[in-house]
Amino acid sequence: SQQGEEDPQALSIQEGENATMNCSYKTSINNLQWYRQNSGRGLVHLILIRSNEREKHSGRLRVTLDTSKKSSSLLITASRAADTASYFCATDAYGNQFYFGTGTSLTVIP
Amino acid sequence: KAGVTQTPRYLIKTRGQQVTLSCSPISGHRSVSWYQQTPGQGLQFLFEYFSETQRNKGNFPGRFSGRQFSNSRSEMNVSTLELGDSALYLCASSLGVRQDTQYFGPGTRLTVL
Repeated sequence: SQQGEEDPQALSIQEGENATMNCSYKTSINNLQWYRQNSGRGLVHLILIRSNEREKHSGRLRVTLDTSKKSSSLLITASRAADTASYFCATDAYGNQFYFGTGTSLTVIP
Repeated sequence: KAGVTQTPRYLIKTRGQQVTLSCSPISGHRSVSWYQQTPGQGLQFLFEYFSETQRNKGNFPGRFSGRQFSNSRSEMNVSTLELGDSALYLCASSLGVRQDTQYFGPGTRLTVL
């Protein structure tokens, strides 16, 4: 089964609004990463947060990590149409193997 | 630096055939991982290679195999193709041993008829 589960599965917002997506995982991790995928293409790395970090920022992205709840959230502020994509969390549990979540499909309406 | 490249980008095969996909990592990256992405199963880890050695393998049948060359380029092979092997196959490279940031290629879209 998947290590990570994203919520919601799909999200539709207006341009300029904020988008929040959540990821839950099952076991202890060393780090958690978020990736973006545009329409069946390769994944683009967005941000990495280590297990001893609680919050990280990168441009319009804000990621939080709660290891006690085994969950993470990705906030995209002031969304743009170009943010339309699928977003995945990935964890490095079980040694050197990455597990990707099920993904959140974000649609930003201009 | 050039990104991760994968060839071919699209491939159509018939059941029973075999296929070889190629991945060239970013220069200096020694780790290459392969993933299968399907609408039903999502992104699933196939295997990881580091310095020509398979370090990790996902839960796939033996029909799926791979290798890495001394220049870090990697190939994966699928023998006796099944309809369910139709998927986007993604390759990712990273610098070192631990799974840190992975850089993905554009993928190879395999269709099995």
